[in-house]
Amino acid sequence: DVKVTQSSRYLVKRTGEKVFLECVQDMDHENMFWYRQDPGLGLRLIYFSYDVKMKEKGDIPEGYSVSREKKERFSLILESASTNQTSMYLCASSLIVSDQPQHFGDGTRLSIL
Amino acid sequence: AQSVTQLDSQVPVFEEAPVELRCNYSSSVSVYLFWYVQYPNQGLQLLLKYLSGSTLVKGINGFEAEFNKSQTSFHLRKPSVHISDTAEYFCAVSDRGDDKIIFGKGTRLHILP
Repeated sequence: DVKVTQSSRYLVKRTGEKVFLECVQDMDHENMFWYRQDPGLGLRLIYFSYDVKMKEKGDIPEGYSVSREKKERFSLILESASTNQTSMYLCASSLIVSDQPQHFGDGTRLSIL
Repeated sequence: AQSVTQLDSQVPVFEEAPVELRCNYSSSVSVYLFWYVQYPNQGLQLLLKYLSGSTLVKGINGFEAEFNKSQTSFHLRKPSVHISDTAEYFCAVSDRGDDKIIFGKGTRLHILP
């Protein structure tokens, strides 16, 4: 079974802090994704990566950056956290071909105070 | 750009009754369609997917969905729901050749005793 592991289930940070969310997958998937999930808005894509050191902006990249130095690891960075970034963050991975489903981690619930 | 509409944000249904969760997508030449389920405090899991072939797709936990190209719909059904089906359900679509999946806003299924 594919395992996507997000380093923290719950995280509390302060406004202005630099925040790192880590995601690791164990199935050698080429694609990795970061979403945020908010009530009534569904999942919105922040960034995705289709290869090591490659990244593409999703629908809401502002205030975020990403890093993919190794194939199995995809990090989401909040450069200077703000209260409107309080949300559930979901990481996913998939094979490169478009008919393959995405596999999700359990999510990180991030609160910015 | 591709879009997905889940017409109901919440659906209450009595235990052992049938249920249909509706999903429509914007027209495209060729698409892949998915339904995911999210149980409380978990990430998303794949329920079923339509890639090609038979328009009736069977998934896990007794769910099925029917692809209707003329109506650009992919409604999810279950003949008899159980309390354990309480969850949020997401419809998703990707264009062939595109690694990104577009998610609907989700439908919360409430099972009434």
